[in-house]
Amino acid sequence: GAVVSQHPSRVICKSGTSVKIECRSLDFQATTMFWYRQFPKKSLMLMATSNEGSKATYEQGVEKDKFLINHASLTLSTLTVTSAHPEDSSFYICSARDSGSYTGELFFGEGSRLTVL
Amino acid sequence: KNQVEQSPQSLIILEGKNCTLQCNYTVSPFSNLRWYKQDTGRGPVSLTIMTFSENTKSNGRYTATLDADTKQSSLHITASQLSDSASYICVVRVRGGYNKLIFGAGTRLAVHP
Repeated sequence: GAVVSQHPSRVICKSGTSVKIECRSLDFQATTMFWYRQFPKKSLMLMATSNEGSKATYEQGVEKDKFLINHASLTLSTLTVTSAHPEDSSFYICSARDSGSYTGELFFGEGSRLTVL
Repeated sequence: KNQVEQSPQSLIILEGKNCTLQCNYTVSPFSNLRWYKQDTGRGPVSLTIMTFSENTKSNGRYTATLDADTKQSSLHITASQLSDSASYICVVRVRGGYNKLIFGAGTRLAVHP
């Protein structure tokens, strides 16, 4: 089945540094990818929609300069948390929409646990 | 307002027992409804996708139902196993909303031996 790979799965960084998370669709093309944030025992919260070849669309309340998104190719999107602070610690999940699927099937990555010290 | 509400919030059952999780939605216009299983610290995995015309869909021990009139869906798990312990998330896609998905808060299921 379709696989979405997220890397790294866990990252610990110091406050003030930037962290990049990658999301790759391994066996399908994805013109659209999504980035979510999930707090403990809560459901996924959409942060932004990543569009290949164009700017990302951010949800209300999400800082564009804080969470930089780049969709460099049909199989790769990256989320960079800039100048990370402890409150940015969270579980970040990406999903990719199979461009060739009629139902627009979404496949999720395994998630990336960010801890900012 | 587009909303997806799931119940119960959490559930504990004994191994081998059946259980049913509920999902009520007020999403309009409706495109499809999906159930995902999310293990702790992992990404969600799709269990079923149901469109407007589908009433029942099975995936192994998982059976999802959809009543588009009452805007309710259920996920029935048969003969539960310890590995079924996870969060189950109901997600409704808005038709025409270009990938607009409305997530439920999930039901946390714990299967005990």
